[in-house]
Amino acid sequence: ETGVTQSPTHLIKTRGQQVTLRCSSQSGHNTVSWYQQALGQGPQFIFQYYREEENGRGNFPPRFSGLQFPNYSSELNVNALELDDSALYLCASSFQVWTTFSGNTIYFGEGSWLTVV
Amino acid sequence: KQEVTQIPAALSVPEGENLVLNCSFTDSAIYNLQWFRQDPGKGLTSLLLIQSSQREQTSGRLNASLDKSSGRSTLYIAASQPGDSATYLCAVSLLAGGFKTIFGAGTRLFVKA
Repeated sequence: ETGVTQSPTHLIKTRGQQVTLRCSSQSGHNTVSWYQQALGQGPQFIFQYYREEENGRGNFPPRFSGLQFPNYSSELNVNALELDDSALYLCASSFQVWTTFSGNTIYFGEGSWLTVV
Repeated sequence: KQEVTQIPAALSVPEGENLVLNCSFTDSAIYNLQWFRQDPGKGLTSLLLIQSSQREQTSGRLNASLDKSSGRSTLYIAASQPGDSATYLCAVSLLAGGFKTIFGAGTRLFVKA
């Protein structure tokens, strides 16, 4: 049990629609990151938020956007869904001290399975 | 561009065997490396975190080493058990035009009873 919860656990959307996935970080964590994991592959980094600001982004188009709220919960929004967006979406939280660039353990949620038809 | 490679892609061993999983990365300018375990259809569980200034970390039957200069890390599992069967992933974190965490594709491990 990592204390990171994601919702919904499964959902099916139609191509062209929009989806919002939600994540509740572990208490005390100030950093949240999102990943896309296709079957049989490692997670692909989408972006990261630190204290409500995006401070890193992977190779994903702008239709992937996010938010981090003052209580450190987060959302991932995907617009204009494509079939290739079907994947497991993982949220992870951690406590980071960016002034010293020291990294701490990342804790993952169980993920949201998205199927685009 | 940072790339992370894990070898082997899959491994099947008898119970009790000691084994080594390999992870290599192309850019040594990382500030940490983590090893994770993933069970089928589940999220990831952190096993070991190695900061860039460290050489190794140990937790129970697990030992991970880091050689930044050669871009390599190994995860050593002692006395493997059927419950160790899972996919093992390594990930490096770095600053490259913003923060990034790059994962390998993983090693699928099956330990036979």
